[in-house]
Amino acid sequence: KNEVEQSPQNLTAQEGEFITINCSYSVGISALHWLQQHPGGGIVSLFMLSSGKKKHGRLIATINIQEKHSSLHITASHPRDSAVYICAVGSPGGGADGLTFGKGTHLIIQP
Amino acid sequence: DGGITQSPKYLFRKEGQNVTLSCEQNLNHDAMYWYRQDPGQGLRLIYYSQIVNDFQKGDIAEGYSVSREKKESFPLTVTSAQKNPTAFYLCASSIGPNQPQHFGDGTRLSIL
Repeated sequence: KNEVEQSPQNLTAQEGEFITINCSYSVGISALHWLQQHPGGGIVSLFMLSSGKKKHGRLIATINIQEKHSSLHITASHPRDSAVYICAVGSPGGGADGLTFGKGTHLIIQP
Repeated sequence: DGGITQSPKYLFRKEGQNVTLSCEQNLNHDAMYWYRQDPGQGLRLIYYSQIVNDFQKGDIAEGYSVSREKKESFPLTVTSAQKNPTAFYLCASSIGPNQPQHFGDGTRLSIL
């Protein structure tokens, strides 16, 4: 079973700062997902990636398959970015059996 | 707009009662999933279904049951055999395996 570790667990930063959240996993995967969970509990899928880098607006996700590591970056952070960011991985068999999740990184951006 | 609807948002159950959580999607997705979230822990997979009339146990299926009679619907029953049912339950769907998952807003279950 894959072990997914995220760091840091909690992060407080000032508006405008560059944010990095890290995720590492223990065994090979089919794909890695970054998710965002807002205080009400709803979850939004931000990225799914299996190699390289993806960018959407101020969010950038990278993955290094050899090192079993991924990072989520937020540029020019804003208070509305405050949320829990969750890393999840699909099993090597293709992810048909759901995802394995990290415990999440609780991000607070102060004005 | 297409999406996943979970109901109710909050649910209370008495000891010894079964309770069913609803999950409906209009995204025409084949795959559906149920996860449980507890404070300080990552989401854990309860059951998943890749196609109508078929479903598989996840990591923590004991005390839960599901059905998949229609493509759009994947209800979860929390039975009295589930010893610690208080948690936040999330339903998700995807076009197929290894595809981005779309999540509902969740149901928070509490025991009276």
